[in-house]
Amino acid sequence: NAGVTQTPKFQVLKTGQSMTLQCAQDMNHNSMYWYRQDPGMGLRLIYYSASEGTTDKGEVPNGYNVSRLNKREFSLRLESAAPSQTSVYFCASRSRGGDGYTFGSGTRLTVV
Amino acid sequence: GESVGLHLPTLSVQEGDNSIINCAYSNSASDYFIWYKQESGKGPQFIIDIRSNMDKRQGQRVTVLLNKTVKHLSLQIAATQPGDSAVYFCAENDNDYKLSFGAGTTVTVRA
Repeated sequence: NAGVTQTPKFQVLKTGQSMTLQCAQDMNHNSMYWYRQDPGMGLRLIYYSASEGTTDKGEVPNGYNVSRLNKREFSLRLESAAPSQTSVYFCASRSRGGDGYTFGSGTRLTVV
Repeated sequence: GESVGLHLPTLSVQEGDNSIINCAYSNSASDYFIWYKQESGKGPQFIIDIRSNMDKRQGQRVTVLLNKTVKHLSLQIAATQPGDSAVYFCAENDNDYKLSFGAGTTVTVRA
């Protein structure tokens, strides 16, 4: 099993550009999450989707939008990128009532 | 808001010794805790978890201890190896869907 797959792995954007980070899981998990990780800090929740068809804001949602396209896929969109959004972005998934969260390998985003 | 944090940002350990990584949490409603290991350039990797109805859980070379009275969580790694060098995060689940992370402890294993 591939687990959680994120694309792209690296991206450089100019301020004001838009892009979508893709995430897909093949474990039939119900819940999916987007986190960002800044240097020397833990992961902070941006948005999550408890189940297909629902999305909710996390700790740091400003400047982002999400789409739970289907049970497998959960995308994160930056409509107008800002340097403050330079970070490593991680997608994760979890089964309903399941233990542990499975993380992807991350997308390293730089906004110049 | 309430958050999970680790006591020390760095820990240096001699190879073969035991490591203890500590974490304090403040949300008494949290009922599920996880330790993650993150190596450079990779995503967090699940190590071990514990629910609030337990005070100890053991895995392979790792033990998690939970003290709900003082809201303290620890990860013990037995016979630390060079491959254990990484950043370790504790995380708490305060409802069924959201996981909150501490800032992490960087463990360096000395040969």
